[in-house]
Amino acid sequence: DAKTTQPNSMESNEEEPVHLPCNHSTISGTDYIHWYRQLPSQGPEYVIHGLTSNVNNRMASLAIAEDRKSSTLILHRATLRDAAVYYCILRGLASGTYKYIFGTGTRLKVLA
Amino acid sequence: DTGVSQNPRHKITKRGQNVTFRCDPISEHNRLYWYRQTLGQGPEFLTYFQNEAQLEKSRLLSDRFSAERPKGSFSTLEIQRTEQGDSAMYLCASSSPPKTGGGNIQYFGAGTRLSVL
Repeated sequence: DAKTTQPNSMESNEEEPVHLPCNHSTISGTDYIHWYRQLPSQGPEYVIHGLTSNVNNRMASLAIAEDRKSSTLILHRATLRDAAVYYCILRGLASGTYKYIFGTGTRLKVLA
Repeated sequence: DTGVSQNPRHKITKRGQNVTFRCDPISEHNRLYWYRQTLGQGPEFLTYFQNEAQLEKSRLLSDRFSAERPKGSFSTLEIQRTEQGDSAMYLCASSSPPKTGGGNIQYFGAGTRLSVL
């Protein structure tokens, strides 16, 4: 299973944009990039996913490098409620079970 | 759509006791996953069901662990002869069959926190 590498922690000021990086140098051509976040005492929550093109939804944007070896989750205006652990996951179509392989994620701290 | 429901939310037990957790997936989701999460770590995959068939089990799932999904609806995870090392958050997720666009988004429940004394 392809691995991802994320910084352990990041800080951001409230109402400022946040760029959360993820490296996945061993990504295969059929791997999708999924992002989840986990608030304290809750299960992981889906944020966004993509394959090659940049993606936008109401929660965030996903910028994928041209070589697909890295990606960045962008929160346009961080709020205190965005403080969570963010996980970048590669989900391969070749894996019949579609299980997720989580890393340790990035703990985002939002400062008021 | 009420989301994935897990019960109980918290369970405290003594070492050596058996415990059982229940997961109710989102209706019409045919895929169900169990994960385990210890403090400071990301969730680790335990097992996967497609309908009622258990198609994959992690090496983390020792013979003290058993999971079932009768009739392809709710699922149970049982741990026999619990050990202190079993203390963790047990998460359940469900998903619908994958569609184009890399779907198969997994929706997680809030988890069952197990403490073994």
